[in-house]
Amino acid sequence: QKEVEQDPGPLSVPEGAIVSLNCTYSNSAFQYFMWYRQYSRKGPELLMYTYSSGNKEDGRFTAQVDKSSKYISLFIRDSQPSDSATYLCAMSLIQGAQKLVFGQGTRLTINP
Amino acid sequence: DADVTQTPRNRITKTGKRIMLECSQTKGHDRMYWYRQDPGLGLRLIYYSFDVKDINKGEISDGYSVSRQAQAKFSLSLESAIPNQTALYFCATSVSGHQETQYFGPGTRLLVL
Repeated sequence: QKEVEQDPGPLSVPEGAIVSLNCTYSNSAFQYFMWYRQYSRKGPELLMYTYSSGNKEDGRFTAQVDKSSKYISLFIRDSQPSDSATYLCAMSLIQGAQKLVFGQGTRLTINP
Repeated sequence: DADVTQTPRNRITKTGKRIMLECSQTKGHDRMYWYRQDPGLGLRLIYYSFDVKDINKGEISDGYSVSRQAQAKFSLSLESAIPNQTALYFCATSVSGHQETQYFGPGTRLLVL
């Protein structure tokens, strides 16, 4: 079993829809939770990160962490064609090597 | 100019050949990483370096070696390339204490025939 599981999709939704992207994980020691966005033929870039449980909002994006369920989500409101990309969740420990463990990535397409 | 650059951007090689992928950064970051990305498998860590004298294996280091020539340069070598090393390779950097924010290069597409 992978430490971090993410449905690879692809996911296709109409413009303006609310998008929900999710990851589950098995290591209860993870404390940092990140979402990276990767456009086609580009390197990933950090979109949002949260520390421990709770919600964090940034414009149309909301990151949610439920440590009791080992489940994180990214919500995109009023989705735009420019949001079409692959979204990768990542997580890490606070102590130790502090390496990032990535999910498989979900490919998202927003249709005009 | 890009902060994290990778050369070459594309490479085709044959089984058994030794090749080197290079990464340079102008961000002044102390930490550098090499990942490979395969469809359905996401990003997997090959090697990472927290400073010039600190090199560590990641989860899939077999068949690879690295060299941190300077704080700004981190090279990945495939000693004897094999077809299942065909993948997209990314270099990344971060600042100590801010591991959540890694800055990725544009990637190198490698095809091993």
